[in-house]
Amino acid sequence: DTAVSQTPKYLVTQMGNDKSIKCEQNLGHDTMYWYKQDSKKFLKIMFSYNNKELIINETVPNRFSPKSPDKAHLNLHINSLELGDSAVYFCASSQYQPGQRLEKLFFGSGTQLSVL
Amino acid sequence: KQEVTQIPAALSVPEGENLVLNCSFTDSAIYNLQWFRQDPGKGLTSLLLIQSSQREQTSGRLNASLDKSSGRSTLYIAASQPGDSATYLCAVRTGNQFYFGTGTSLTVIP
Repeated sequence: DTAVSQTPKYLVTQMGNDKSIKCEQNLGHDTMYWYKQDSKKFLKIMFSYNNKELIINETVPNRFSPKSPDKAHLNLHINSLELGDSAVYFCASSQYQPGQRLEKLFFGSGTQLSVL
Repeated sequence: KQEVTQIPAALSVPEGENLVLNCSFTDSAIYNLQWFRQDPGKGLTSLLLIQSSQREQTSGRLNASLDKSSGRSTLYIAASQPGDSATYLCAVRTGNQFYFGTGTSLTVIP
């Protein structure tokens, strides 16, 4: 069983469309994240949810809206897609540990979004 | 704000060589540091996690060290193999976030 799974793996769409990426983790973790990886491989945090509550919301256009129906799922909906949204989007999860020294990130395999 | 840098950005070595990847961070108030491997078109796989109170961690041919006070970590790979070719990223846990380095792209030549 895949620990963190996201779908779809590839998403090709036209400018202006609305699309969603889904993420599920079966690790029993309480925190989930969305990261964006640009063409230079730099990973930037977009959002983080802990027990369905939004705890990190970086400077991301409000066309991006995360939704966490339960602590095992974190979906990303993107409205009015633009060329600059083309990137790889990664979902990740972790389990809060007291002291945070043992908190480890687990990643999904990524969604390659191409906006034409 | 935490900034994480990895040097070199790319590295090419012949098979069998030992090598060192570097990771530096600006804020020493970290909880832990994690090294990841990323293969083309794939997600990130965790290799090693070092807690802030630890100096090093080992897993097989990999050894990661941490000098928190100087803001540095190294990943040592012994007897490199072509299968080690990938991008290696480090990430530090600071505050409520993980901050990632820019990555080192490693190529091991048979």
